[in-house]
Amino acid sequence: QVQLQESGPGLVKPSQTLSLTCTVSGGSISSGSYYWSWIRQPAGKGLEWIGRMYTSGTTNYNPSLKSRVTISVDTSKNQFSLSLSSVTAADTAVYYCARDNYFNSRFLAFDFWGQGALVTVSS
Amino acid sequence: DIQLTQSPSFLSASVGDRVTITCRATHDISNYLAWYQQKPGKAPKLLLYAASTLQSGVPSRFSGSGSGTEFTLTISSLQPEDFATYYCQKLNTYPPPFGQGTKLEIK
Repeated sequence: QVQLQESGPGLVKPSQTLSLTCTVSGGSISSGSYYWSWIRQPAGKGLEWIGRMYTSGTTNYNPSLKSRVTISVDTSKNQFSLSLSSVTAADTAVYYCARDNYFNSRFLAFDFWGQGALVTVSS
Repeated sequence: DIQLTQSPSFLSASVGDRVTITCRATHDISNYLAWYQQKPGKAPKLLLYAASTLQSGVPSRFSGSGSGTEFTLTISSLQPEDFATYYCQKLNTYPPPFGQGTKLEIK
């Protein structure tokens, strides 16, 4: 059973960079037909996809965040990471990492999720 | 961008009821749709993908249908553990949007 776990600072100052890491266990991050995504959810609100990566280095980002987002991978540690620069209070949210199931040239769904990490942007 | 609109946004029902949640897309999205269940303080859980394929381990009281612009999630007989918020999601686009959510509450 694949498991994902987010880690990183819970408090970030405005204008600084938010950094989170997702550690994958129960399977290799490099295996087969999976991409790896970040999604966020402000308190009491809906879900927003941030971006995804494949271990080849391919990345796709939400156009609304693209100028501030970088997703990277460390296959030796079975981890992938999110970096979001120039944060404001509007970036306060629970951040989830998830496995993005890709099969027969189509994305099917986010089938495994981390438990989520609350990041608060405040001075 | 393709937008997804769920209806209703809030739904009050009783244990044993049959409930249906609708997700409408602004453009034809074929069957590139998934449904998730989220309980307070927890991550979303995948229920169905490709509009109607049940994810492994999900009870058979959950079913999905639809294609094109209109989709439904049906729970055939509500159980106490089903009271949660449900989201639809369109896949295979950038970004892959979620619906705004439907909160299912106990009557």
